[in-house]
Amino acid sequence: AQKVTQAQTEISVVEKEDVTLDCVYETRDTTYYLFWYKQPPSGELVFLIRRNSFDEQNEISGRYSWNFQKSTSSFNFTITASQVVDSAVYFCALSAWGSWGKLQFGAGTQVVVTP
Amino acid sequence: DVKVTQSSRYLVKRTGEKVFLECVQDMDHENMFWYRQDPGLGLRLIYFSYDVKMKEKGDIPEGYSVSREKKERFSLILESASTNQTSMYLCASRRGQETQYFGPGTRLLVL
Repeated sequence: AQKVTQAQTEISVVEKEDVTLDCVYETRDTTYYLFWYKQPPSGELVFLIRRNSFDEQNEISGRYSWNFQKSTSSFNFTITASQVVDSAVYFCALSAWGSWGKLQFGAGTQVVVTP
Repeated sequence: DVKVTQSSRYLVKRTGEKVFLECVQDMDHENMFWYRQDPGLGLRLIYFSYDVKMKEKGDIPEGYSVSREKKERFSLILESASTNQTSMYLCASRRGQETQYFGPGTRLLVL
């Protein structure tokens, strides 16, 4: 069985602060994929990043960065210098190789950025 | 760009009605998915399809059925809508182990 845990239900920050979203996963598969999606108030899920289990390199894309650590089964996401447009629900998800691409989602973390 | 479209953004139905939610993707993806999203529960998989006319149950298939007659189209059917099926429904498609892309969602209210 697979499980994704996002322990933070909601995080509130003031603009320009950094915010880190935690994601812990469980899987027995050795080959798997991890994802982050953003869901703004409009409702559409926007893909942010995909990582496979053999690639533990951290990644930075603009103000976004991801820290993947297999040793702790974590795939954390940091927004640097947050902006009001970052206000959204962020989902971490996992899919195992051979699972037809089914995604197991965490419950999501609501990020609220105030001016 | 991958495009996944859903037939309605908002839908209001009455208890007992038969409801069809349509999803179309334009990238020739073999895998398509239906999720429902409820506050505090995240997204839960209802059904998925890995080929035309092929379907598999997800985590919460009760009360739903699906149809995939053409590769680009995947329909979710509520045979007899109930109030506990009021939710946000999201369709997605994917090729193999690549990224899964989502449609804009349908907010269904069952009265």
